[in-house]
Amino acid sequence: AQSVTQLDSHVSVSEGTPVLLRCNYSSSYSPSLFWYVQHPNKGLQLLLKYTSAATLVKGINGFEAEFKKSETSFHLTKPSAHMSDAAEYFCVVSAAGANSKLTFGKGITLSVRP
Amino acid sequence: DAGVTQSPTHLIKTRGQQVTLRCSPKSGHDTVSWYQQALGQGPQFIFQYYEEEERQRGNFPDRFSGHQFPNYSSELNVNALLLGDSALYLCASSATGPTSPLHFGNGTRLTVT
Repeated sequence: AQSVTQLDSHVSVSEGTPVLLRCNYSSSYSPSLFWYVQHPNKGLQLLLKYTSAATLVKGINGFEAEFKKSETSFHLTKPSAHMSDAAEYFCVVSAAGANSKLTFGKGITLSVRP
Repeated sequence: DAGVTQSPTHLIKTRGQQVTLRCSPKSGHDTVSWYQQALGQGPQFIFQYYEEEERQRGNFPDRFSGHQFPNYSSELNVNALLLGDSALYLCASSATGPTSPLHFGNGTRLTVT
């Protein structure tokens, strides 16, 4: 079985400052890991994915995440927040690939202050 | 190129009724998955359809059923609605292959009164 823990439910940053959204996972297999973003009244959009290639993964809109097996973590970062980054962010794990059953964390609400 | 489209966008039903939600996958995709997202929670996997068969199922009761048509579109049916079924229902499609990511629709907001 696999699971994801997003300890922070809400993160607030000022525009132009770094973003750090934390995620820890548990999986019986070598996992595939993802970050999805959900803007209000919109569907989920894939930010980036890790599928056992490079441990530092670059995604869209300047986001990146680092897979650390020893810490079972997959934290999402961005050097400089933009107002348009305000949204709900989900860390997601899959035991069997990108198009198989996804297990979502509870999500982190990112607020960006002007 | 249209992405994943879902209908209707909003729906209000009464306890005990039945509901059908519809999903058209992104062009070129043959696999459809359904997720339930309760307010303030992450989406939960309901089931996945491929080649008109249910391939995987999450921890949902038999009241939740689905269908996939030859054109790859899909329906989610929920019988005997409960207040707790109120949620955003998301459809996601993907192409064949473990590295093909899911593309999500904007969802159907179901309210059960």
